[in-house]
Amino acid sequence: GQQVMQIPQYQHVQEGEDFTTYCNSSTTLSNIQWYKQRPGGHPVFLIQLVKSGEVKKQKRLTFQFGEAKKNSSLHITATQTTDVGTYFCAGLRSSNTGKLIFGQGTTLQVKP
Amino acid sequence: DVKVTQSSRYLVKRTGEKVFLECVQDMDHENMFWYRQDPGLGLRLIYFSYDVKMKEKGDIPEGYSVSREKKERFSLILESASTNQTSMYLCASTSRSRAFYGYTFGSGTRLTVV
Repeated sequence: GQQVMQIPQYQHVQEGEDFTTYCNSSTTLSNIQWYKQRPGGHPVFLIQLVKSGEVKKQKRLTFQFGEAKKNSSLHITATQTTDVGTYFCAGLRSSNTGKLIFGQGTTLQVKP
Repeated sequence: DVKVTQSSRYLVKRTGEKVFLECVQDMDHENMFWYRQDPGLGLRLIYFSYDVKMKEKGDIPEGYSVSREKKERFSLILESASTNQTSMYLCASTSRSRAFYGYTFGSGTRLTVV
């Protein structure tokens, strides 16, 4: 079945270092969404990418959608302790029902 | 802001009990979802509903059922709780007309089955 794989599973960085998580789908996606879950919290929607090759920025966060719409990445420049959490990508399985398939998530730890 | 409210933050139940997890959203969303979250496995879809009284199985429906009698409420039922159902349960909703706009999640219910 359709799968979305996300790597790495864990990443420990020193505050100020950059961080990237990658997402790969076995099939072409209609769109891809990114979520952040703080420790003890619930996933919160960050952004959605729809177009092939799309790049969007939110302050220090840069999101990319691959040309083939089968992969995506989230890059954080100069991490801060507030970036700690788990980042999930999610691909839209069905535009009729809005069903998403989530990657396993990348947990980011930032050492001050 | 859309609010998705889950009835309990923490729940402890005994093996064999029937368990009800309630979820209510206040933005007239058509689509509602139940996920469970386990370390290393991410979010796995249990059931979803795209309209009142309509439901479809997700990836891991075994041992669960759902009920959607009103648009704003989506209930997850564990027919006979087992220890392997100990998990974090997350409810989410989204508008069909804005299906491209991301889910709103509830705060989650951490269920422990003893």
